[in-house]
Amino acid sequence: DSGVTQTPKHLITATGQRVTLRCSPRSGDLSVYWYQQSLDQGLQFLIQYYNGEERAKGNILERFSAQQFPDLHSELNLSSLELGDSALYFCASSVAGPAGLTDTQYFGPGTRLTVL
Amino acid sequence: AQKITQTQPGMFVQEKEAVTLDCTYDTSDPSYGLFWYKQPSSGEMIFLIYQGSYDQQNATEGRYSLNFQKARKSANLVISASQLGDSAMYFCAMRERTIKAAGNKLTFGGGTRVLVKP
Repeated sequence: DSGVTQTPKHLITATGQRVTLRCSPRSGDLSVYWYQQSLDQGLQFLIQYYNGEERAKGNILERFSAQQFPDLHSELNLSSLELGDSALYFCASSVAGPAGLTDTQYFGPGTRLTVL
Repeated sequence: AQKITQTQPGMFVQEKEAVTLDCTYDTSDPSYGLFWYKQPSSGEMIFLIYQGSYDQQNATEGRYSLNFQKARKSANLVISASQLGDSAMYFCAMRERTIKAAGNKLTFGGGTRVLVKP
């Protein structure tokens, strides 16, 4: 158990809908990351938050948004869902801030999203 | 261009034998970190081992070790004395330090599936 929790574990929804994925980082970790794992794209970085502020953005679609709350939990909102958004969405957390090269990211169990 | 390349899509290994998983990387950043993660069929991503670009020695962590060849830009994972529970996907990942806009993001390779045979 990495100490990172994600809910829900599975999500099945229809095209055009909006969903929210939730993540609680390990105790003491200030950074939260979101990754998407799909068969065609592999594991892709979406976005990073550090202590409530957006730190880095990857290939995140405009239909997707995220935030990190004062208690450091994070939510990833996916809207106007398309079939191609079906994937495993991981949240990861780490201790250090932007300068932490050796800082290890620990992953949650993931949320498997199926868009029908 | 691919930043992280794992050329072996899948491999079999006999239980109790060692296996080497290849990873080559591409970066112009002098400061970077390399990570290996394991993803069993249950889906979670498990951190295995880390190697920093300035580390003088190869990283080791239990049965896992890294064969780090900086000049060749390779960071191969060696799993010794394979066990049935080692059957999983293995991902190599890199973090580059100098690119501020990249934050602490990890760039992953395509993975290698390992199946341990009894």
